[in-house]
Parts: sequence; C-alpha cells; structure tokens
Amino acid sequence: DAGVIQSPRHEVTEMGQEVTLRCKPISGHNSLFWYRQTMMRGLELLIYFNNNVPIDDSGMPEDRFSAKMPNASFSTLKIQPSEPRDSAVYFCASSFSQGHYGYTFGSGTRLTVV
Amino acid sequence: SQELEQSPQSLIVQEGKNLTINCTSSKTLYGLYWYKQKYGEGLIFLMMLQKGGEEKSHEKITAKLDEKKQQSSLHITASQPSHAGIYLCGAVSNTGNQFYFGTGTSLTVIP
Repeated sequence: DAGVIQSPRHEVTEMGQEVTLRCKPISGHNSLFWYRQTMMRGLELLIYFNNNVPIDDSGMPEDRFSAKMPNASFSTLKIQPSEPRDSAVYFCASSFSQGHYGYTFGSGTRLTVV
Repeated sequence: SQELEQSPQSLIVQEGKNLTINCTSSKTLYGLYWYKQKYGEGLIFLMMLQKGGEEKSHEKITAKLDEKKQQSSLHITASQPSHAGIYLCGAVSNTGNQFYFGTGTSLTVIP
C-alpha cells in the first residue's frame, strides 16, 4: 500500500481563489481526518469522517471551508474564497476501527495564499 | 475535550546526550501515540501505548505510559542529529472516534 496520498504537495494561490486539497486514504480504513498545522496553533483537527459520513466538523474554521468524502477512497477539503491566514500545512490521516490500531498520515499539502 | 500538554516545548541537546519528553493528559488515556515530524513532511508513527505501566522501545527511543494512564514519557538515548524534529503525542478519546494531539516538542540535536 502506498499509504495516505495527498495532492498537491504544494499549492500557491492568490487571495480569493478557490483551493481544493485531495486525499486518498489507505484501502480498508474507514475513518478519515483532516488536520491543519500552523506555527501559531500547532496541529488542529478540522473534520473527520467515519464510513464516509462527517462525524464532527466543529474544527472547521468557518463557512469558507468545506469537506466531502464521496466514497471510501477519496476526500476533498475546499477553501473558497481563500485568505492569507489560511496558509498552513494541511494533513489528511486515515485509520481503521476508529483509530484503535493507529493512524496513518499523509505527507501534507503546504498551502500558501498570497 | 481532551487536553494534552507536552514539556518541554523545545529542547536543544548535544549529540550523544539522553533526553526525555513528557506528555500529560487532563483525562485518562485510552491509547497514547507518539509521532515524529520533520519540517514539511508527514507524521511518522513511533509507537502506541495502551496499558498502564506499558513500556515500548524502538531503536534508541523508549516510551512509557504511567500506571494511572494520564502521563507518558518519551526517552531518547544517545541522541543523534537524525532524531531532530517535532515530537507529538496523541490520544484517542474514550469513545474512540476522536483523536487529539499534544502541543508538540521541538528537538534540535547539535552535532
């Protein structure tokens, strides 16, 4: 298995543009998590899905952020419109059995909004 | 929500020295994970502890979970520059469906 795959690795966009981050979890994992990492706030949980259903999105900063998981092998995190304060590294992670056997993280997407 | 406090926040050690990073939880831990992250890279899973008093080792890194399951320590013996990075502890909620991260410890190892 190639692990959790995130794309793109790096994204530079202008303020106001729409940004879409993608994640392919490990096959067989039934939970998927989106995290944001900044220097100021460390690692924050944004939203997580269990069996493709969003369970807790209380970490999503505001309505500009949305996440979907149309099937077990794909998820997106969208920011529209993007703002400079959204600049961060966004991580996706997947797990099996609600994390009791560990979590696997993707390599992250470094987003820069100018 | 669960809170995980790590100490120290940052650590600079000379190569070859031993060091310890602590992770303290506000609630009983049902699964404690240690991760390492290098800048700009993904998180690397180090080990997981579940039982009170459990201790695990991987190469020169040893992690322990105390008997009360509210504190864990990560110990590195004879540190090397390759150990440098950010160490994060993480915990599963008692319902098993949420995951929380500690505040992180930045480790620098000077050759």
